[in-house]
Parts: sequence; structure tokens; C-alpha cells
Amino acid sequence: QIQLVQSGPELKKPGESVKISCKASGYTFTDYAMHWVKQAPGKGLKWMGWINTYTGKPTYADDFKGRFVFSLEASASTANLQISNLKNEDTATYFCARDYGSFDYWGQGVMVTVSS
Amino acid sequence: EIVLTQSPTTMAASPGEKVTITCRASSSVSYMHWYQQKPGASPKPWIYDTSKLASGVPNRFSGSGSGTSYSLTISSMETEDTATYYCQQWSSNSWTFGGGTKLELK
Repeated sequence: QIQLVQSGPELKKPGESVKISCKASGYTFTDYAMHWVKQAPGKGLKWMGWINTYTGKPTYADDFKGRFVFSLEASASTANLQISNLKNEDTATYFCARDYGSFDYWGQGVMVTVSS
Repeated sequence: EIVLTQSPTTMAASPGEKVTITCRASSSVSYMHWYQQKPGASPKPWIYDTSKLASGVPNRFSGSGSGTSYSLTISSMETEDTATYYCQQWSSNSWTFGGGTKLELK
């Protein structure tokens, strides 16, 4: 069965970096793009961008250009999100989601807490 | 960038009641997707391409709309339908979500 399994929760200090992963299984990883979605505590969903899992080309939404990097370990069917120079407002749950026209499979989410 | 405005933001419905959630786009779009999210869980695909139910979605749910106005309807509210619902669309090389509608049980 298709699954997206994300890495565990993270507690970081402002200015630090974090890398979270999303491991896909049950389908050919390179056949479907992967999206990243942010959900701040008590807030709605915000699309961060996507990565072409065949070419590795990332595309970032306007609010996520600069400190955010999408990458792949295609041999491991894994997509990664790295956030550098963390700020308090980066505290959120980050989801990966497979692109099938709509987002048909989602990871369980990774809670990233930024606190001094 | 298209803005999606959902209404109401929060609502409560009694079991058996008909529920309609609206999503209005700032410019005309050609379809709408909907997701259901329960507390502490990932969003689930619920309705895609405006009116198609995702796998496992009860047929008391339906979707409709065109242009700038789309809706999700529950014909008869059930306890398990309590959740937050989000609309979503793709335009100008960007995905946008609505702000969400929290549906509670009355």
C-alpha cells in the first residue's frame, strides 16, 4: 500500500537548521511530484512548493524562497525539506503530499518547534 | 494569486441536518478540491475535480460549483463528519488553500 512516512518531531533554537524527510513506498517514487505543506499551530494549510521527483527540480512558493530547500534521495524514495536560520514563526507541522492531480496521499506530518 | 475564501469559518450542525460549506475564488477557476482534517491528523483527500468523491468518502457528501463559487454539501450530518474542511485549487503555477471551515456537532 502507498505510504509517506515522515521523520520525527524536532526541537530547535532560533538560527539553527532542520532537515525533515518523507519516505515514500508502495509506488514508483519518480512518477509523482511531491509537495510540502505548512500548518502553524491552530492555523490552516499553506502550500510551500513542490519538487519534481524525476528531475529533482524544486519550485518554491513566494513565501518560502530563501531559507527553504527541497531535495531528493531518489534511490531511497525520499524527499527532504531543509529549513535554515530557523525563526519562531517556523514553528509548525510540515506535511509532504503526493501529487496525483490533487494531493492524494499525505505524510503524517513533522512538528518542528523553534524555541530559545 | 487567487485567494480562496471559505464560509462559514465555523459552524455547528445537528445530526441529520443538511450542511453546506462554500468556497469563493477571487477569480474564476475550473475546478476545486476539498480535504478533510481531524485534530492531530493529516488532511485527507475528500472531493476532487469539484464533484468526485475520494475513495471511502460516504455518498452523503457531494461537491458542486463553477467559476468563482464552489460548495461541499453533506446531505445529512453525522457525528463522524466533525472536522475542518479545506478547499484547494491550482492557478498561476501555485496551489492555494482556503482558510478552512470547522464543522462541529450541535
